[in-house]
Amino acid sequence: GAVVSQHPSWVICKSGTSVKIECRSLDFQATTMFWYRQFPKQSLMLMATSNEGSKATYEQGVEKDKFLINHASLTLSTLTVTSAHPEDSSFYICSASRGQGGQGTQYFGPGTRLLVL
Amino acid sequence: AQTVTQSQPEMSVQEAETVTLSCTYDTSESNYYLFWYKQPPSRQMILVIRQEAYKQQNATENRFSVNFQKAAKSFSLKISDSQLGDTAMYFCALITSGTYKYIFGTGTRLKVLA
Repeated sequence: GAVVSQHPSWVICKSGTSVKIECRSLDFQATTMFWYRQFPKQSLMLMATSNEGSKATYEQGVEKDKFLINHASLTLSTLTVTSAHPEDSSFYICSASRGQGGQGTQYFGPGTRLLVL
Repeated sequence: AQTVTQSQPEMSVQEAETVTLSCTYDTSESNYYLFWYKQPPSRQMILVIRQEAYKQQNATENRFSVNFQKAAKSFSLKISDSQLGDTAMYFCALITSGTYKYIFGTGTRLKVLA
């Protein structure tokens, strides 16, 4: 159990276009989902925390108008990179929290590689 | 502020041998949880083991075990009978009760040698 899927696994787009990434918890309900960005050979950087039915909470320095997050249901969160630019190229990972409060173990999706040309 | 430190950027171990990855952390909270995640070349983050701070007994999952020293704020991961498939980046993470956010260490890159 505790499987999280992410789609697409990789995407190449032109500068100025928008890209949507989906994150789904397949066998459990996740009240909280997270979006991370990871640069090569570095740790995960939390971008935002997404709660079902409410606005996402963004980390300091993350542009909320650029990285739109929607948590429409207990099993689906989406990240839209708007007007993507080459500097947005990265590896994006979502996770879903199972459990309440500080007991919430996070289960991660397989990640999405984004390349903006 | 809460921090997680992994002081070993890279390690290697011979197949079938045992290796220990270090992790130290700092938090003023009394109720927290610690995790080790593995990220192989596929970059899929995989939960290896989890430890509740209130439990004195060290967590174990097959060949993976931890040495949790609460007073020293140390949480090391021991991998026994290392296998080639254990080659990966290993991240230590901390979460405190009342917050959903993980604090990750910088990772240790482990290579298992044939």
